[in-house]
Amino acid sequence: KAGVTQTPRYLIKTRGQQVTLSCSPISGHRSVSWYQQTPGQGLQFLFEYFSETQRNKGNFPGRFSGRQFSNSRSEMNVSTLELGDSALYLCASSFGPYSNQPQHFGDGTRLSIL
Amino acid sequence: KNEVEQSPQNLTAQEGEFITINCSYSVGISALHWLQQHPGGGIVSLFMLSSGKKKHGRLIATINIQEKHSSLHITASHPRDSAVYICAVTDTGTASKLTFGTGTRLQVTL
Repeated sequence: KAGVTQTPRYLIKTRGQQVTLSCSPISGHRSVSWYQQTPGQGLQFLFEYFSETQRNKGNFPGRFSGRQFSNSRSEMNVSTLELGDSALYLCASSFGPYSNQPQHFGDGTRLSIL
Repeated sequence: KNEVEQSPQNLTAQEGEFITINCSYSVGISALHWLQQHPGGGIVSLFMLSSGKKKHGRLIATINIQEKHSSLHITASHPRDSAVYICAVTDTGTASKLTFGTGTRLQVTL
């Protein structure tokens, strides 16, 4: 069974640009969560999707958005990039939107802002 | 104060040593997760606990719900165990949103 696939693995952008990251969950998983990891703030929750609906959103500005498609694949978008958006972005999938289910993580997309 | 606290932040051990990493949390939880992150960045889920104790190979995880405390033990540590170990919780009512500790960086030397 294929794991969680995130693309691209690495990305370099400049301030002011926008970026779209993709996450394909494990087959059969319908819940996808996104996290940001930085050296200063550690791992922080961005948002969670289940059946194309955003169920939870973390404390991030509106520049961060996401969506989920009918095949459970998810994308997140960051507009008007800032230097502080440089981070490892991780997505995780689980079978359902329940708090007692293990999450399976992808290898992440490392975003660098110049 | 963070909702999830881990100790120690850094740990160096010699091969074969018994290792303990601690995690305390301040919120009501539905589950506690122990995660492992290697330098490449990918995260592997080691355990998910809501009570008691779980064992997988040389790894043991315990949780005390009344004391809001969990421990991850590694028996007979090996250099390949070198990684960052992260404790995370899902609190009641927020579905699968994880709140993370700051991680424990473990280095096991020969």
